[in-house]
Amino acid sequence: KAGVTQTPRYLIKTRGQQVTLSCSPISGHRSVSWYQQTPGQGLQFLFEYFSETQRNKGNFPGRFSGRQFSNSRSEMNVSTLELGDSALYLCASSLGRKSTDTQYFGPGTRLTVL
Amino acid sequence: AQSVTQPDIHITVSEGASLELRCNYSYGATPYLFWYVQSPGQGLQLLLKYFSGDTLVQGIKGFEAEFKRSQSSFNLRKPSVHWSDAAEYFCAVGAHSGNTGKLIFGQGTTLQVKP
Repeated sequence: KAGVTQTPRYLIKTRGQQVTLSCSPISGHRSVSWYQQTPGQGLQFLFEYFSETQRNKGNFPGRFSGRQFSNSRSEMNVSTLELGDSALYLCASSLGRKSTDTQYFGPGTRLTVL
Repeated sequence: AQSVTQPDIHITVSEGASLELRCNYSYGATPYLFWYVQSPGQGLQLLLKYFSGDTLVQGIKGFEAEFKRSQSSFNLRKPSVHWSDAAEYFCAVGAHSGNTGKLIFGQGTTLQVKP
């Protein structure tokens, strides 16, 4: 079974632009979560989607948004990019949305904002 | 508020030596606890998890962890480290109730293995 895939793997943008990242979960998984990883702040939870609905949201500004499609694929969008948005963005999928459902992580998208 | 602390930012051990990575958590109830490993350029891979029951849990790659409620700790151990274990290790806590898979991670410990 294929793992979690994220596209693109690398992205370079300039301040003020917007960006869309994509995540395809493991087949059959219905929950997708997003995390931001930076050297200074570590791994921080962005949001969680299940059945096309945002179920949980981390403490990030409104510039960060996401959605989930009927096939469970998810996208996240960051508008008006800032230098501090440079990070590795990780997507994780799980069968359901219980804490006991194992989260499987993708390789991440490395976003660099110049 | 829930939090996870990994006191050691960087640890160096010799190949074949034993390893212990520390993790302390703050949570109002018995938490769900996880250890993940991240190799360079890779995502996170689950090593092991603790939900309830036996406080000593076995994971993949020869790792084990022990939950100690009195010390709010969940330390990761391996009896003999291999060069391929060099990576970054993250301890995480999950909500014990509610329908959410949200994880709160520690800052991570980078493991270097000397030949």
